[in-house]
Amino acid sequence: ETGVTQSPTHLIKTRGQQVTLRCSSQSGHNTVSWYQQALGQGPQFIFQYYREEENGRGNFPPRFSGLQFPNYSSELNVNALELDDSALYLCASSSDGFKVPFFGPGTRLTVL
Amino acid sequence: AQSVTQLGSHVSVSEGALVLLRCNYSSSVPPYLFWYVQYPNQGLQLLLKYTSAATLVKGINGFEAEFKKSETSFHLTKPSAHMSDAAEYFCAVSMGADSSYKLIFGSGTRLLVRP
Repeated sequence: ETGVTQSPTHLIKTRGQQVTLRCSSQSGHNTVSWYQQALGQGPQFIFQYYREEENGRGNFPPRFSGLQFPNYSSELNVNALELDDSALYLCASSSDGFKVPFFGPGTRLTVL
Repeated sequence: AQSVTQLGSHVSVSEGALVLLRCNYSSSVPPYLFWYVQYPNQGLQLLLKYTSAATLVKGINGFEAEFKKSETSFHLTKPSAHMSDAAEYFCAVSMGADSSYKLIFGSGTRLLVRP
């Protein structure tokens, strides 16, 4: 059984660009949540997808968008990147049977 | 609105000493509470969770936490610190227990273990 995987590991972008981060959920999990962790802070909830539908959103602007695929993998898209978007982006998956999120290793995004 | 406060951004203990990491929560509904650990350059690993069952919760690696409603606290303890416990610890409260937990995290406490 594989855990939650994320790609890429690291990414460097410039202001104004767009980025797509990817997450493969743990086998058997149908829910994916995304979190942003700025340096020295706790993770902040961005949004959650349950069975391919958005199921809750945190206090993030619309330029943060997501998608969940039929195999329950997920993408996080960020448009018009800003310097403050530099952070570790964490994906977490869970299931109906065990709802506690399991986290992936994260993608470190640097915006220059 | 739900929130979590972790007192002390850094806690330093000697190897073999008691570990106490403090967490207070605010919630208008019965809370679901969690402790996660984060090692350098890694994601978050669940240590333990409270979901309205026993108030004393035992987790992995010898950690435990006690839910105290009267004090709105969920402090994390370990009787004897080990060097491998050095990491960042996050307390979190769930925004809901519907389909899945959406977590609100505290700002974290970095645990340093002195030899």
